[in-house]
Amino acid sequence: AQKVTQAQTEISVVEKEDVTLDCVYETRDTTYYLFWYKQPPSGELVFLIRRNSFDEQNEISGRYSWNFQKSTSSFNFTITASQVVDSAVYFCALSERTGANSKLTFGKGITLSVRP
Amino acid sequence: NAGVTQTPKFQVLKTGQSMTLQCAQDMNHEYMSWYRQDPGMGLRLIHYSVGAGITDQGEVPNGYNVSRSTTEDFPLRLLSAAPSQTSVYFCASSSAQPGGVGYTFGSGTRLTVV
Repeated sequence: AQKVTQAQTEISVVEKEDVTLDCVYETRDTTYYLFWYKQPPSGELVFLIRRNSFDEQNEISGRYSWNFQKSTSSFNFTITASQVVDSAVYFCALSERTGANSKLTFGKGITLSVRP
Repeated sequence: NAGVTQTPKFQVLKTGQSMTLQCAQDMNHEYMSWYRQDPGMGLRLIHYSVGAGITDQGEVPNGYNVSRSTTEDFPLRLLSAAPSQTSVYFCASSSAQPGGVGYTFGSGTRLTVV
C-alpha cells in the first residue's frame, strides 16, 4: 500500500526566510508520480508540480525548488525568500499508475504561516 | 474552459437526508475521483472511476455511492447523511495519457450535517 508522510504539521517563519517542507513516501511500485499541491486560505487546491519516478532531476521554478531523492524516498519542497502570500497548507501526494489505478494518496498537509 | 465544476459550493443537511454532489469536467479525462478533507487528515479517497461505467471504492467509501454514466460526470450520493460526513468534498479528474499534467481539482463543496 502506498503512504505519504508529512511529519511537520505547522511551520511558522518570518518573511524572507527560506523554508523546507518535508515529504517521505512509501510505495512498492517502480513507476509512480509525486505531487505537491498548495491550498491557500480560500480553499482551492493549486497544483504546483508533478514528478515521475524516473526523473530524479531537481527542479526550480522561481522561488520554489524541489529535491527528489529515491534513495531516501523523499520529495522535499523549498521556498526561498518566503512571502506572506506563501501562507497556505501544502500537500504532498503520490499516485501509483499501475494498470487502471487512479488513486492519489495525500499526506496530512503542512500549514505554513509566513509572518511579515 | 471550465475544468472541473462542483456544485453546490455549500450545503447544510439534516441527519438522515440524502443528496447528490455534482461533479463535471470538460477535459475528456478518463479518471475521476472524490475526496473528503477533514482537519488534520489530509484528503482521503472516497470513490474513483477509470472510465464510463467503471467505479471502485477508495479508502473511506461507507455511506457514499457513485456512478459514471458519461465521461464528463461523476456524481457522489450521500444515502443517509450523518454528522460524521461533515467535511469538504473535492472532485478531481486526470488524463490516462502518460504525458498528462496531473490531477485537476474542483473548488470543493463544504457540507455540514446537523
